[in-house]
Amino acid sequence: NAGVTQTPKFRVLKTGQSMTLLCAQDMNHEYMYWYRQDPGMGLRLIHYSVGEGTTAKGEVPDGYNVSRLKKQNFLLGLESAAPSQTSVYFCASSYSEWGETQYFGPGTRLLVL
Amino acid sequence: EDKVVQSPLSLVVHEGDTVTLNCSYEVTNFRSLLWYKQEKKAPTFLFMLTSSGIEKKSGRLSSILDKKELSSILNITATQTGDSAIYLCAVEPSRRKAAGNKLTFGGGTRVLVKP
Repeated sequence: NAGVTQTPKFRVLKTGQSMTLLCAQDMNHEYMYWYRQDPGMGLRLIHYSVGEGTTAKGEVPDGYNVSRLKKQNFLLGLESAAPSQTSVYFCASSYSEWGETQYFGPGTRLLVL
Repeated sequence: EDKVVQSPLSLVVHEGDTVTLNCSYEVTNFRSLLWYKQEKKAPTFLFMLTSSGIEKKSGRLSSILDKKELSSILNITATQTGDSAIYLCAVEPSRRKAAGNKLTFGGGTRVLVKP
């Protein structure tokens, strides 16, 4: 099993450009999450999904959209990137709603110029 | 709004030293407190502490939950260079219907262990 994978690993964008981050898991998990991590601020939840076809807002959803068309994939979109979105993005999945069951992906480093 | 504060922000120790990391929290309907170790990439799960399990130990790492003080400590004894990492604390509220769990993370403590 590959676990949780994220694509791409690193990306540089110009302000106003759009992009999609892909998260894939092969563990048949129902729950999936997108977090961002900024220095000294820990991880903050952007959006999450409790099952295929569902999405919900987390703590910091503004400027992001998500889709969960397939159970194994969770996409995070930036329609018009801003420098404030420079961050490291982590995807996670879990088989239950409890935190200790979350598995994290390796992260995507995004730099918006 | 749930809140987690970790201290210190960072520390530097030498191999063999003992370190103590602090985590204080505010959460509505507490269910659990989780500790993670983050090296270069993804956070990896260390411990979960709950009302019924306030002490955990694994090798040189141990953690205690103080429900009265709303805090937790993570101890690392006989530190090694491989313990260098960011240590994250998170709290989780009890079950919410039709919602995935929502962890609230602290800012982390960066630990550097020098040879």
